[in-house]
Amino acid sequence: KAGVTQTPRYLIKTRGQQVTLSCSPISGHRSVSWYQQTPGQGLQFLFEYFSETQRNKGNFPGRFSGRQFSNSRSEMNVSTLELGDSALYLCASSSLTGSGNTIYFGEGSWLTVV
Amino acid sequence: GQSLEQPSEVTAVEGAIVQINCTYQTSGFYGLSWYQQHDGGAPTFLSYNGLDGLEETGRFSSFLSRSDSYGYLLLQELQMKDSASYFCAVRDLLNAGNNRKLIWGLGTSLAVNP
Repeated sequence: KAGVTQTPRYLIKTRGQQVTLSCSPISGHRSVSWYQQTPGQGLQFLFEYFSETQRNKGNFPGRFSGRQFSNSRSEMNVSTLELGDSALYLCASSSLTGSGNTIYFGEGSWLTVV
Repeated sequence: GQSLEQPSEVTAVEGAIVQINCTYQTSGFYGLSWYQQHDGGAPTFLSYNGLDGLEETGRFSSFLSRSDSYGYLLLQELQMKDSASYFCAVRDLLNAGNNRKLIWGLGTSLAVNP
């Protein structure tokens, strides 16, 4: 069974640009969540989608958005990039929303903003 | 507020036993999970405690005391490959709509020396 797939793995953007990251969850998983990870800050929750609906949202500005498609694939978008957005963006999938206790992470997308 | 506290760094030698503690303060509680993350890799699920007591999975064990809002991960017979970051996470009640969200600790960096 294929794991969680994230693309692209690495990318470099300049300030002010926008970026879209993609995530394909494990087959059969309908819940997808996104995290930002920076050194010393741990895993910061961005949002969670279930059946194309955003169920939970973290404390990030509106520049961060996401969506989920009918096949459970998800994308997140960051507009007007800032240097501080440089981070590892992790996608995770699980079979249940909220009550699911095991989530499976992808390898992440390393974003560098210059 | 919601918070999880765990030590930032732990150092041990091969063959030793190490315990990583996690104390939490959340409005609800629906289980404590542990994840391992090697440098440059994705977090992977290690263990889950929904009820008080000890859960054992090979060299790793996890313990939970809900009355003390406390848990720990115990790693025995340490190996060099155990050098990684370890995160505790608590499933908390997000809002009255019964949505639940994972709250994460900042991670403990474990260094295993020969």
